Amino acid sequence: SQQGEEDPQALSIQEGENATMNCSYKTSINNLQWYRQNSGRGLVHLILIRSNEREKHSGRLRVTLDTSKKSSSLLITASRAADTASYFCATTTIQGAQKLVFGQGTRLTINP
Amino acid sequence: GAGVSQSPSNKVTEKGKDVELRCDPISGHTALYWYRQSLGQGLEFLIYFQGNSAPDKSGLPSDRFSAERTGGSVSTLTIQRTQQEDSAVYLCASSRWPRGLAEQFFGPGTRLTVL
Repeated sequence: SQQGEEDPQALSIQEGENATMNCSYKTSINNLQWYRQNSGRGLVHLILIRSNEREKHSGRLRVTLDTSKKSSSLLITASRAADTASYFCATTTIQGAQKLVFGQGTRLTINP
Repeated sequence: GAGVSQSPSNKVTEKGKDVELRCDPISGHTALYWYRQSLGQGLEFLIYFQGNSAPDKSGLPSDRFSAERTGGSVSTLTIQRTQQEDSAVYLCASSRWPRGLAEQFFGPGTRLTVL
């Protein structure tokens, strides 16, 4: 079963615009990670944010975490066609620190 | 260095047959995970290995599923008497540490189709 939900399920924007995806989860977490998946195969790790952090940046990516609302957002600035992919948030819980529990994912399409 | 590799990349089998899926983790990574991804269930955790500790099998959907990790490296996921609902992409990942503080590196997956 999934830990939470991602919103929106699908997002289509023009190249150069910013893309924002949201993730909600249900239980207390150890950390939250964002992954990208192209063509339904292997996932690529993008960024990890710990439960005691509120914001983190990596290149064009910005992640926020609000543990009081049990939610996170991923912002991709100045989007490129190559950013077209599915994006998943995944959490590790304090109890089961080893396994990732994934959201349903957001399908992002960048139109040239 | 090389990433996580999985074989075969695609496997088509008949209902009732057994299948074995292989995962080669990144050298030096002590933790190894199996997940599967299907249309109906999304991405699901199956099993986790860490060093010589007993594996966490809490995600295995039935006793037809088993996995082993030999010598702390290569892992094999075995599905006995396959059913059509086993059709999915099976993903393997490894990480440097056992705890959830480290990122997991995923292989390209094995697409299993049960006819």
